[in-house]
Amino acid sequence: SQQGEEDPQALSIQEGENATMNCSYKTSINNLQWYRQNSGRGLVHLILIRSNEREKHSGRLRVTLDTSKKSSSLLITASRAADTASYFCATLSGSARQLTFGSGTQLTVLP
Amino acid sequence: ETGVTQTPRHLVMGMTNKKSLKCEQHLGHNAMYWYKQSAKKPLELMFVYSLEERVENNSVPSRFSPECPNSSHLFLHLHTLQPEDSALYLCASSQESSGNEQFFGPGTRLTVL
Repeated sequence: SQQGEEDPQALSIQEGENATMNCSYKTSINNLQWYRQNSGRGLVHLILIRSNEREKHSGRLRVTLDTSKKSSSLLITASRAADTASYFCATLSGSARQLTFGSGTQLTVLP
Repeated sequence: ETGVTQTPRHLVMGMTNKKSLKCEQHLGHNAMYWYKQSAKKPLELMFVYSLEERVENNSVPSRFSPECPNSSHLFLHLHTLQPEDSALYLCASSQESSGNEQFFGPGTRLTVL
């Protein structure tokens, strides 16, 4: 079964607004990662948060992790049209060697 | 550029053709991956190679055959594909000891007629 589930599936906002995407997962994790994908292209790693961390920042990105609720959120502040893309969470669990990806959130930022 | 290249970027093939996808990473990583991405479906992991040894094969049909001749190169050999195999095929690499952050190539858009 799928480990990560993003919510919402699609999000449309105006430029300058903040965008929040959520990810829920089922099993305990070593770390959780967020990736971005522009249409028809490869994924780009954005940020990694370890299971013993609660919050992490990178530029306009803020990620939180709540292991008790098995959930994470990605906040993009002051969004730009160029932020339009699909955003995926991925989890690394236990002895697993590979990431398990969610279905993604399609973010559209309107100019 | 992520340091992972894939060729070709687009491929159209008939069901009886044989073709190969190529991936090369310039990052010194010790693990490489093939993923399949179909419309409206989550990313599907196909194969994992760690130190050039295949460590995962997620019930992928035998018409897909991976090859990892060295730590920098990964191939996916395609034979007798079906139209439902049309998808974006993504290659990625990572350094397994460092949290497994993955670096992806741009993908090969495959269409099977």
